[in-house]
Amino acid sequence: ILNVEQSPQSLHVQEGDSTNFTCSFPSSNFYALHWYRWETAKSPEALFVMTLNGDEKKKGRISATLNTKEGYSYLYIKGSQPEDSATYLCASRGSGAGSYQLTFGKGTKLSVIP
Amino acid sequence: NAGVMQNPRHLVRRRGQEARLRCSPMKGHSHVYWYRQLPEEGLKFMVYLQKENIIDESGMPKERFSAEFPKEGPSILRIQQVVRGDSAAYFCASSPLGPSGNTGELFFGEGSRLTVL
Repeated sequence: ILNVEQSPQSLHVQEGDSTNFTCSFPSSNFYALHWYRWETAKSPEALFVMTLNGDEKKKGRISATLNTKEGYSYLYIKGSQPEDSATYLCASRGSGAGSYQLTFGKGTKLSVIP
Repeated sequence: NAGVMQNPRHLVRRRGQEARLRCSPMKGHSHVYWYRQLPEEGLKFMVYLQKENIIDESGMPKERFSAEFPKEGPSILRIQQVVRGDSAAYFCASSPLGPSGNTGELFFGEGSRLTVL
């Protein structure tokens, strides 16, 4: 995998449902994996930064896991609420040359239906 | 503590004109990054600056684009002789430490949307 890929591109869930989506990233020269939450007309806000294989992080109803060996991360939302509606971005940061750069996926757009 | 401030939020230019986008980082942040989002694309890295220095400009087109972050004042992304393909949303982000000092969490502005007619 050369780029950061996110799936699905978009999804609609009912309020109260739990959901998850995937981020795939290059596993070689890995340094860190970021998740951002981006509401329409606002700025992306950092949710998690993970660096270690097997990392799990949680913030309220949102959690994320990291597998650096196979190059994927999952974001989970438990009991989705309408205010969770946003685009969720993941970004990979490598080590070595270009390590200042975050490589972003195109995002997963989540719509929570009341 | 005000967040990252970008202006203008929207800018319309005709082909051949110049566009200047400004970014004031969060207070205490001396590291600034510019990202561009073309239609239907993800955010793409353009340039990383520290006060008065360009650290990495590998994502910036070689011609017509320049960036600066002076000792005093905001960071400026300048696009000369704009073309329709420059139409995009330009996002600035800042951080308090450089990439080697932390895990690199960035604080983003709300973006400047450039439309070239």
